[in-house]
Amino acid sequence: GDSVTQMEGPVTLSEEAFLTINCTYTATGYPSLFWYVQYPGEGLQLLLKATKADDKGSNKGFEATYRKETTSFHLEKGSVQVSDSAVYFCALRDYGGSQGNLIFGKGTKLSVKP
Amino acid sequence: EAGVVQSPRYKIIEKKQPVAFWCNPISGHNTLYWYLQNLGQGPELLIRYENEEAVDDSQLPKDRFSAERLKGVDSTLKIQPAELGDSAVYLCASSSGPQAADTQYFGPGTRLTVL
Repeated sequence: GDSVTQMEGPVTLSEEAFLTINCTYTATGYPSLFWYVQYPGEGLQLLLKATKADDKGSNKGFEATYRKETTSFHLEKGSVQVSDSAVYFCALRDYGGSQGNLIFGKGTKLSVKP
Repeated sequence: EAGVVQSPRYKIIEKKQPVAFWCNPISGHNTLYWYLQNLGQGPELLIRYENEEAVDDSQLPKDRFSAERLKGVDSTLKIQPAELGDSAVYLCASSSGPQAADTQYFGPGTRLTVL
């Protein structure tokens, strides 16, 4: 079945450091890919998405590129801030499988120190 | 605009007791989702509603879990009886329709502890 694998956390970085959170996926169809973020005490929010191969999603300085050849959708940010501390979830939506439902990874907790 | 509202935020019960969670989606959102999130895991879909119809409940453990969305607006998820393994966060989400399921708006969740 469809699945998403993320790098395990927690990830601890200093402010202004470069961030990469790895995400790979397995899907039977042609999925759309997403990154959701959960700030402390809040619900999950859509951060960015890409719907086809080679698309780049971006938002709030975060970027991720849909790589079909490596089945990956790694999240990157050039300079993290303390306010980026949160849990990040990679997810896919496979219209050809999983009944079009969102399939999430386990999440990666990011802590940014001043 | 108000977000997805869930209550209670926290619930502690003893095993074999019943428990219910309530969700009010964003106004005008026809699609409502209930997810289960175990500690250290991502959300897993329990049930999806289109208006008042449960269109996907394949992952809902129907021996003890039930859900309803009688008027196609707010929804209730019930567990009866609760077991120790049900301790988790129960998330509700909504979207404006099935075609907009990419952008789901999540509530803060209800953290259930079963003793």
